[in-house]
Amino acid sequence: KNQVEQSPQSLIILEGKNCTLQCNYTVSPFSNLRWYKQDTGRGPVSLTIMTFSENTKSNGRYTATLDADTKQSSLHITASQLSDSASYICVVSQENSGNTPLVFGKGTRLSVIA
Amino acid sequence: KAGVTQTPRYLIKTRGQQVTLSCSPISGHRSVSWYQQTPGQGLQFLFEYFSETQRNKGNFPGRFSGRQFSNSRSEMNVSTLELGDSALYLCASSLAGGQTQYFGPGTRLLVL
Repeated sequence: KNQVEQSPQSLIILEGKNCTLQCNYTVSPFSNLRWYKQDTGRGPVSLTIMTFSENTKSNGRYTATLDADTKQSSLHITASQLSDSASYICVVSQENSGNTPLVFGKGTRLSVIA
Repeated sequence: KAGVTQTPRYLIKTRGQQVTLSCSPISGHRSVSWYQQTPGQGLQFLFEYFSETQRNKGNFPGRFSGRQFSNSRSEMNVSTLELGDSALYLCASSLAGGQTQYFGPGTRLLVL
């Protein structure tokens, strides 16, 4: 069964600290993996998208890694800010899929406190 | 460039009623996807439309339907509403399927 598991479910960190969010998937065949940031009450916003051949991609203070062999991805946030408080969703796209082209994780809820 | 817009933003309905939600994609985007988001289940894929044709469909009952117009605007309809249909309904557009999707703010539906 195609699944995306994210950990931790929630996380609280102090402003200025770094953190890493995890995403494990069983989606096959794999096409690409995306990380989204969703602020409360808003739609998700794309942070990064990585294909099979890419193992790291950065977007400002956000760095995503991908290990296609172990089917794991991480999102590292550097020098966190209060505005980083949001849900971070990992999404895996299935290549040549039928009815469910994207498989979503349930997200990690990050709270950055002063 | 204007982003994805969804109307209405909030909606309250009672069981048994039906509802129609609207989504206007980013100009030039031809693919529109709909998702249901609930606290317990996360984001779940409903369906995707491309050039007025439903291209993909998730595992939702037939009460959930949609359509896309020639200007790429899309509507989603839910008939015979149930309490469990209370959720945030998100629309996302992309130039074509499989590319980066841009989400709208969502329509929050409450079924009483």
